[in-house]
Amino acid sequence: AQSVTQPDIHITVSEGASLELRCNYSYGATPYLFWYVQSPGQGLQLLLKYFSGDTLVQGIKGFEAEFKRSQSSFNLRKPSVHWSDAAEYFCAVSKAAGNKLTFGGGTRVLVKP
Amino acid sequence: DSGVTQTPKHLITATGQRVTLRCSPRSGDLSVYWYQQSLDQGLQFLIHYYNGEERAKGNILERFSAQQFPDLHSELNLSSLELGDSALYFCASSVGEDDTQYFGPGTRLTVL
Repeated sequence: AQSVTQPDIHITVSEGASLELRCNYSYGATPYLFWYVQSPGQGLQLLLKYFSGDTLVQGIKGFEAEFKRSQSSFNLRKPSVHWSDAAEYFCAVSKAAGNKLTFGGGTRVLVKP
Repeated sequence: DSGVTQTPKHLITATGQRVTLRCSPRSGDLSVYWYQQSLDQGLQFLIHYYNGEERAKGNILERFSAQQFPDLHSELNLSSLELGDSALYFCASSVGEDDTQYFGPGTRLTVL
């Protein structure tokens, strides 16, 4: 069965600093990988996705993620964080784009002024 | 705004009761998915419908049922509610069966 681990429950970062959120997955074949963001009281917004091809994926809001098969990882990065990036971030995996998503536990990001 | 709508936004009810959550997918989307987000279980897949037919089931309790109607909206019915059913219930939709899922704002259910 597929699973996703987000090792960091909370991360605090200063505004303007870089951010990296870790995601490790367990799945037998090549997975479909996603990052979603949930702002307080909001639904889940898709930041980016990886299906195949270039392992460095660009998303919305200045985010990017890199798929590393050898490490079973799909870490999310942003070079310079804005106060509006404070939210909870979820990594998810599926067998195909339309299959059920298996989510990690989430990482809550706090942004210090 | 993803284009997926869910009603109601909030629902407060008592144990033993039955509620219905409604989801309208994005225009043109044929697939609807339901997920539950709770503090102890995190985000979990419940069920997937495609063009009115059930396609996959996850950890959905027997007290819960869903359907997708000919106009493609979907309803999630929760019965004999327990305190532990308190959660945020998300609906997502996608164009087909192999496309990215887009999530609605969720319905927050509180069972007292």
